[in-house]
Amino acid sequence: QVQLQESGPGLVKPSQTLSLTCTVSGGSISSGDYYWSWIRQSPGKGLEWVGYIYYNGITYYNPSLKSRVIISLDTSKDQFSLKLSSVTAADTAVFYCARQTMTMIRGVSYPNNWFDPWGQGILVTVSS
Amino acid sequence: DIQMTQSPSSVSASVGDRVTITCRASQDVSSRLVWYQQKQGKAPKLLIYAASTLQSGVPSRFSGSGSGTDFTLTISSLQPDDFATYYCQQANSFPITFGQGTRLEIK
Repeated sequence: QVQLQESGPGLVKPSQTLSLTCTVSGGSISSGDYYWSWIRQSPGKGLEWVGYIYYNGITYYNPSLKSRVIISLDTSKDQFSLKLSSVTAADTAVFYCARQTMTMIRGVSYPNNWFDPWGQGILVTVSS
Repeated sequence: DIQMTQSPSSVSASVGDRVTITCRASQDVSSRLVWYQQKQGKAPKLLIYAASTLQSGVPSRFSGSGSGTDFTLTISSLQPDDFATYYCQQANSFPITFGQGTRLEIK
């Protein structure tokens, strides 16, 4: 049974870069069978999808965050990571990593846009 | 972006009650609608995808219906474990967007 676990600093200063890692256990991130996403949840904005990455490095980001987000992966460690730059207090949130299944259509892989399972979440506070 | 609006924002009910939560999309999402349950301090849990397909392991008292812009989540007979917050999410187009949540409380 696959499990996801977020890790990283719980406190980041304004204007700095937030960096989080999601470690996948019980499955391989490089299998090509899944997409891997970051989602955040804050009292002000609710649940907000941040972006996904596929095993081959293809990414897709929420346009509202695209200029500040990078998602990358390390298949040797079964990890994928999130970097969010130039953070402000509005970026304070619980960050979750999650898995998406995929569908093949005419030889092309597409993500199924629902999330299961999720990691337990990590609270990141932006404050000086 | 597609806006997802849930109603009510909160509801009080008793064990054994039938409860329905509504989700409306600002544009047609076909049947690409997802429901999650979230308990305090925990990650959301997938209940239903493709508007009406129950995720493996989810009790059959949960059901979903709808297509286009209007969807419902129904819990046929509330159990103590069901008191939580429920979210809908559209899976039709990027960016993926969520409803604001419906809090289900014990009466």
